[in-house]
Amino acid sequence: SYVLTQPSSVSVAPGQTARITCGGNNIGSKSVHWYQQKPGQAPMLVVYDDSVRPSGIPERFSGSNSGNTATLTISRVEAGDEADYYCQVCDSGSFVVFGGGTGLTVL
Amino acid sequence: QVQLQESGPGLLKPSETLSLTCAVSGYSISSAYYWGWIRQPPGKGLEWIGSRYHSGSTYYHPSLKSRVAMSIDTSKNQFSLKLSSVTAADTAVYYCASASRYDARGYDFDYWGQGTLVTVSS
Repeated sequence: SYVLTQPSSVSVAPGQTARITCGGNNIGSKSVHWYQQKPGQAPMLVVYDDSVRPSGIPERFSGSNSGNTATLTISRVEAGDEADYYCQVCDSGSFVVFGGGTGLTVL
Repeated sequence: QVQLQESGPGLLKPSETLSLTCAVSGYSISSAYYWGWIRQPPGKGLEWIGSRYHSGSTYYHPSLKSRVAMSIDTSKNQFSLKLSSVTAADTAVYYCASASRYDARGYDFDYWGQGTLVTVSS
């Protein structure tokens, strides 16, 4: 089965740029989606189809996908961005795979 | 405003069947392409349980396939999950979610319920 690999944690100072990676075999051929989950809350979609932001998501959130790595980039990080972030793809069309999640700490 | 709300027993004994319902409001259940269940054990990451395509096809996580069933009741605008023979390893927050778009490369979940904690304990 398809495996997505994320770093367990990323730390960044306020105002800096956070980059969260999601690794997978030839992931560049798949659509990657990213979710933000704050403690006690349900996940929320922040980027879909590699780089598209849903309505209401700040422009500070962006995504890219190429080769074996997809990346969620959060520019001008704020304290409110502290959360767990999960990448997701579909394998064989309809089978969903989540990455293990990355905890973003704002120093 | 689209809202999804999970409901069901919060405590089960080992070997019982978990039954959860996802009530959908502000949105016709027939309008989504996929309906899915995702769970999250305490302190751990998201685990996909399965999805149902609007046409009726179902797709389940290989490790749960033998114990899972999903159904849709369009008359009640709700989506259901059954997981049989539960053990302590099935203790988790269970989320329902929907996908309003898809293409050849798959789909994302753009709407989520708030989640419901199910504990399996004797």
